[in-house]
Amino acid sequence: QQQVKQSPQSLIVQKGGISIINCAYENTAFDYFPWYQQFPGKGPALLIAIRPDVSEKKEGRFTISFNKSAKQFSLHIMDSQPGDSATYFCAPSPNAGKSTFGDGTTLTVKP
Amino acid sequence: GAVVSQHPSRVICKSGTSVKIECRSLDFQATTMFWYRQFPKQSLMLMATSNEGSKATYEQGVEKDKFLINHASLTLSTLTVTSAHPEDSSFYICSACNPLAGENYNEQFFGPGTRLTVL
Repeated sequence: QQQVKQSPQSLIVQKGGISIINCAYENTAFDYFPWYQQFPGKGPALLIAIRPDVSEKKEGRFTISFNKSAKQFSLHIMDSQPGDSATYFCAPSPNAGKSTFGDGTTLTVKP
Repeated sequence: GAVVSQHPSRVICKSGTSVKIECRSLDFQATTMFWYRQFPKQSLMLMATSNEGSKATYEQGVEKDKFLINHASLTLSTLTVTSAHPEDSSFYICSACNPLAGENYNEQFFGPGTRLTVL
């Protein structure tokens, strides 16, 4: 049973466009919903995260939207830049528990 | 943000040898560290949870006698791949949580990874 489903698998966006990545989960015990960014040959780094008590969080060009009833959360990257080209992972976790990583989305932003 | 280091960053070894990878939290104490393995173009696969002062908790299918984990202090966890074989070649990544990080106590700070190649 796959607990976390991430889509799309890959995404190509023009510079200045909006990139949208989705994550659906099944475990209702999850209470921390982060997105991690990973560049080739590097470890992942936290991009943005949300708790279930809010429906949206914005940090600069990055917005995370959370829909508790649908058990989904998404990452929106506004004004996408070539430097945003990376692999993105959702990795929800329960309170102080281990994360469950999605399969990842490879984003390519074309200049 | 908090810093986690890994050493070595890259290692090439012969089949049958053992390799030790160190994971350090440089500016915070981590009671829990995680070890992941990542194959090319795949997601991170959790291998084990390392708890300071106690035995590691291994995920299903991960051989505890092959992947030895020691978390001897609040800033250091080690992963030893014993009798390594070519199929163990992978990118090994550790992460640590900072329990004093306020509302982001769940946030995992990842190390830069260790590329293991077994010939």
